[in-house]
Amino acid sequence: GQSLEQPSEVTAVEGAIVQINCTYQTSGFYGLSWYQQHDGGAPTFLSYNALDGLEETGRFSSFLSRSDSYGYLLLQELQMKDSASYFCAVRDRVAGTALIFGKGTTLSVSS
Amino acid sequence: ETGVTQTPRHLVMGMTNKKSLKCEQHLGHNAMYWYKQSAKKPLELMFVYNFKEQTENNSVPSRFSPECPNSSHLFLHLHTLQPEDSALYLCASSQGQMNTEAFFGQGTRLTVV
Repeated sequence: GQSLEQPSEVTAVEGAIVQINCTYQTSGFYGLSWYQQHDGGAPTFLSYNALDGLEETGRFSSFLSRSDSYGYLLLQELQMKDSASYFCAVRDRVAGTALIFGKGTTLSVSS
Repeated sequence: ETGVTQTPRHLVMGMTNKKSLKCEQHLGHNAMYWYKQSAKKPLELMFVYNFKEQTENNSVPSRFSPECPNSSHLFLHLHTLQPEDSALYLCASSQGQMNTEAFFGQGTRLTVV
């Protein structure tokens, strides 16, 4: 089966840098994705890593190490609007094209 | 507007009622999914459809019945639900390939009384 582990909560102040880690276990691996969900909103795609290394998209970056079954989402220059839940997700041989999500990390950014 | 529309946004139903949730995507995707999101729990995959064919059923109770009449529409028929079925039900779609992002609807907030 599949399992993903990520911290349940993270707090930070505006302007800071936060790293949200994710470790996973899957039967086959087709990449690690990150999604953001604001309270009452739909999950929205942030990033996808299929190969080892760092992918940068503006203030957000995502890293993957396939040998360690580990990835992280790095959020820089935090803003109040970044307060949300962040989910890592994988696709694997069992789930096929469907995403399997971690439990989510609630990020609270204060001024 | 995410390109995936779910109706209704909110639904309150009794345990003996029958209701249906609707999802429509205008993105030309060929895979659609139902997820359940309860408080303090991860998004749980319920059903997967690829090219209108159900390819995954994650041990979901039979009181939930999906229907996919075409690649743009997905329904979730509900009957004799339990209070513990109260949750946010999210529909998503994707191109049906392993490296593409999924687009989610805003969800239906279901309360079973």
